[in-house]
Amino acid sequence: DTGVSQDPRHKITKRGQNVTFRCDPISEHNRLYWYRQTLGQGPEFLTYFQNEAQLEKSRLLSDRFSAERPKGSFSTLEIQRTEQGDSAMYLCASSSVGRSRTDTQYFGPGTRLTVL
Amino acid sequence: GEDVEQSLFLSVREGDSSVINCTYTDSSSTYLYWYKQEPGAGLQLLTYIFSNMDMKQDQRLTVLLNKKDKHLSLRIADTQTGDSAIYFCAEASMNTGFQKLVFGTGTRLLVSP
Repeated sequence: DTGVSQDPRHKITKRGQNVTFRCDPISEHNRLYWYRQTLGQGPEFLTYFQNEAQLEKSRLLSDRFSAERPKGSFSTLEIQRTEQGDSAMYLCASSSVGRSRTDTQYFGPGTRLTVL
Repeated sequence: GEDVEQSLFLSVREGDSSVINCTYTDSSSTYLYWYKQEPGAGLQLLTYIFSNMDMKQDQRLTVLLNKKDKHLSLRIADTQTGDSAIYFCAEASMNTGFQKLVFGTGTRLLVSP
């Protein structure tokens, strides 16, 4: 069990470009979450998947954002036509829904996006 | 709705105890978590407590929950310089199926030698 991994760790892009981030959850975890963290703030929930189904999306997730988890394993988060306000750390977490109701979320190292 | 608040900064000397405080607003059954974040890194889960508990201890960490005041604290005994980081309190409530974490703004702990 290697933990949650995210790629890339850092991304610098120009305004208007599209970017895609990848998250690989802990193996056998059936839930996967995306959060966004801006400087000096706590993470904010964006969306989550149970297996391949996207079950909830935050109002923070504008039409320029799309997330997928096609086979219920890794997930991608795409931002189209990036804006400077998209600059943030994008965090992925995973959890396993089992007998325990805690649904404890384990986080990856994050992808830091800078939009110039 | 949920709202989580924390003090922004705490400074202690190595070897002292640190107490980081958090208040939350959701009155339904809830899980409350403490995460640690070092510069440029993701969040490391430290511990959690369910809202029907008053206290939980795990090695140097003690979590106290005052349900009446919706107040949560994290005590770190014998604080070390390696404990310097940002500590986030987070709530997952029954209202959202315990699925969505709502985080505070974080408390920056600085431990001086």
